[in-house]
Amino acid sequence: EAGVAQSPRYKIIEKRQSVAFWCNPISGHATLYWYQQILGQGPKLLIQFQNNGVVDDSQLPKDRFSAERLKGVDSTLKIQPAKLEDSAVYLCATPGSSYNEQFFGPGTRLTVL
Amino acid sequence: QKEVEQNSGPLSVPEGAIASLNCTYSDRGSQSFFWYRQYSGKSPELIMSIYSNGDKEDGRFTAQLNKASQYVSLLIRDSQPSDSATYLCAVNRGTYKLSFGAGTTVTVRA
Repeated sequence: EAGVAQSPRYKIIEKRQSVAFWCNPISGHATLYWYQQILGQGPKLLIQFQNNGVVDDSQLPKDRFSAERLKGVDSTLKIQPAKLEDSAVYLCATPGSSYNEQFFGPGTRLTVL
Repeated sequence: QKEVEQNSGPLSVPEGAIASLNCTYSDRGSQSFFWYRQYSGKSPELIMSIYSNGDKEDGRFTAQLNKASQYVSLLIRDSQPSDSATYLCAVNRGTYKLSFGAGTTVTVRA
């Protein structure tokens, strides 16, 4: 966790509201991942950035989710409007030093009521 | 067929025993394999990486990989109450993308 900062740590909203999450890869990695982890499931990749560019967003629900990474450092993930099924932990991750390793930040726990 | 499947658990073992966790994957082209530990309310923590067939040991943890059988396992020897957590198996197909299993919850009884 030490290499990735995320905020907020918790967020509770009503359905149809908007929410945004922030990630800072303190280590300064060019690559950044956003994952969604629903309770009882493993993390699922939503989007991967390489510097400012999107490498893969094939599993991002683009009708309501958006993400950006300005200046190739911090990233934000937005949901608008939120649905009940978006309740999950949103994890940001960066690569490690060994092949294909990934390390996660502390995550943001979203509850949609 | 799911990309990564783990024994569903929960797995309860007495303190000092060996906990054995299993994982199978569907893509024969997968190249790297990981075990993450996730405590309740925390994010996944990488504990083992394995890339070639055979065993890899790190302290009380041993990862085993058999690519022919598309099988990865994790053994936790001398289990401690602090090992109580959910263990996630993750598989990489040579690209950046990790596919995770649903996890196996382990409880170590004191």
